[in-house]
Amino acid sequence: DAGVIQSPRHEVTEMGQEVTLRCKPISGHDYLFWYRQTMMRGLELLIYFNNNVPIDDSGMPEDRFSAKMPNASFSTLKIQPSEPRDSAVYFCASSLGTGIPLSTDTQYFGPGTRLTVL
Amino acid sequence: SQKIEQNSEALNIQEGKTATLTCNYTNYSPAYLQWYRQDPGRGPVFLLLIRENEKEKRKERLKVTFDTTLKQSLFHITASQPADSATYLCALAIGDDKIIFGKGTRLHILP
Repeated sequence: DAGVIQSPRHEVTEMGQEVTLRCKPISGHDYLFWYRQTMMRGLELLIYFNNNVPIDDSGMPEDRFSAKMPNASFSTLKIQPSEPRDSAVYFCASSLGTGIPLSTDTQYFGPGTRLTVL
Repeated sequence: SQKIEQNSEALNIQEGKTATLTCNYTNYSPAYLQWYRQDPGRGPVFLLLIRENEKEKRKERLKVTFDTTLKQSLFHITASQPADSATYLCALAIGDDKIIFGKGTRLHILP
């Protein structure tokens, strides 16, 4: 298996532009997570999905952020409009969902997208 | 809210020695605690999970302890090698469905 795939690996954009990050989870995994990592705040959970349905989006910083999962093999995280403080590495992770409880599930992370907003 | 404290300073250890990393938390003891490894430019990789009723867990050269009285987990790498150099993150279960991560400790194994 190729693991979790994210694209693009690097994105540089100007303030105010729309940014779309993409993720393909591992086939057969029921859960998908979006995280953001910065030096100041570490790795923060933004949102997670179960079987394509958003379960908890309490970590999404504000309305400028939105995430979708139209099918089991694809998810997007969109920022519109982007701001310099959104600069970070964004990770997508997936898990089987067999852990009881879910917090014991092993999460498999993608390589991340490094976003720079100028 | 729960806070996780990992030493933000890098840890330098001579090859062959045991490296010990610390993870402290501030509030209630989580039911589970995980350790991940992260290499530069890559996502975290799961290493070990320990439950609150387990005092110690081992996997090859790795050992994790969990002390709910001290609110602390220790992560040990024995016979350390330069290839063990990475950032190590601890993660605590929050409720049944989520985990929160510490900021990690950078480990350098010196040849």
